[in-house]
Formats: sequence, C-alpha cells, structure tokens
Amino acid sequence: EDQVTQSPEALRLQEGESSSLNCSYTVSGLRGLFWYRQDPGKGPEFLFTLYSAGEEKEKERLKATLTKKESFLHITAPKPEDSATYLCAASSRGNNRLAFGKGNQVVVIP
Amino acid sequence: DTGVSQDPRHKITKRGQNVTFRCDPISEHNRLYWYRQTLGQGPEFLTYFQNEAQLEKSRLLSDRFSAERPKGSFSTLEIQRTEQGDSAMYLCASSSWTGGNTEAFFGQGTRLTVV
Repeated sequence: EDQVTQSPEALRLQEGESSSLNCSYTVSGLRGLFWYRQDPGKGPEFLFTLYSAGEEKEKERLKATLTKKESFLHITAPKPEDSATYLCAASSRGNNRLAFGKGNQVVVIP
Repeated sequence: DTGVSQDPRHKITKRGQNVTFRCDPISEHNRLYWYRQTLGQGPEFLTYFQNEAQLEKSRLLSDRFSAERPKGSFSTLEIQRTEQGDSAMYLCASSSWTGGNTEAFFGQGTRLTVV
C-alpha cells in the first residue's frame, strides 16, 4: 500500500526565515508526487507535480524537489500569507488514487 | 469561476438521517474523485469515476455510502443512516486523464456534522 509521511507536523517561522518541509514516500512505481496548499476550512489548492528524481519546480517563494524516496518543499523568505497546511500526495502506476500525508502545518509570524 | 464546485458547503444532520452531496467538476475533466478528510489528517480516497463509470471504491466506502455520476457530468455522494463517525469534510476533485497526467483539482468541500 502506498504510504506518505510528512515532517515536521507543525512549524513556526519568523517572517523571512527560510525552511524546508519533508515528504517521504513509499510507492510501487511512482507516477507523480504532488504538493497542495490547504487553508483552514477550504479544499486543497494544487501547487506542483513532480514526476522523476532530480526534477524541481518553483512558484514564487516555494520550490519543490524530488529524490527517489523523498520530496522537499522549500519556503524561501516566507511571508505571513504563506501560513497554511502543505499536503504531499503520491500516485503510483496502476493506481488511480492519491495517497496523502497528514500535512505540514506552517505558521509564519510577522 | 470554472473550478470544482461542491454543494452544500456545510451540512448538520441528526444521526440516522440520510444526506446527499453534489459535486460539479471542471467541465472538460473526465475523472472525478471523492475523498474524506478528518481534522488533522490528510484526505483519504473514497471512490473515483471515469466519465460515468465508477472504476474504484475504497474499503472505507461502506454499504451506507453510494456515489453516482450520471451522464459523466456532476456527481452525488449519498450517506444513508448517518453515524457520528461520518462527521468529516467530504472533498471532490476532478482531473483530465490523458494517460499520464493525474493532477487533480479540488473543490472547497462539504463539511458534514452528525449530531
């Protein structure tokens, strides 16, 4: 069964203090690794898809990277509006569902 | 707004009652998914449709749950004889299946509270 583990569960950052979120995955043949942002009471908002080890994608202050066992979401010089829960999900070949981790809850303090 | 739409946003029901949720996917998307999310957890897969065909159901989907997608457009998720353990956020997502791209876009969810 596909498994995704995220760490740390919660993170408090000062505005401007860069950090990284970790997503470890165990799947039978990775089809795609996905990052979503979720604000309280709302549905997940799509951020990135990564397909192969070594791939990187960026959007504003966020950068996602992928290895054969992990993905990282780097937050550079975060602002309070980056406060959210970041969800990692994996999809494996032959499987049409996303397996989600529990999320990284990020709070950025002004 | 052409995103995934869910209705209602919130539902409070008494234990034992039936409830039905609706999801309108992004119009050109042929795949539609239902997930359930409880507090502090990531979304858990329930079921998915490709066009009107329901192709996979999770073991989480007990026989009290039924989902339909008539004509491959909107979908409904019905829960019969609700229990307090059914309280959760029910999320719908859609994607355009092209043989490799599986990016799913989510709606804002329906928050169910069973009292």
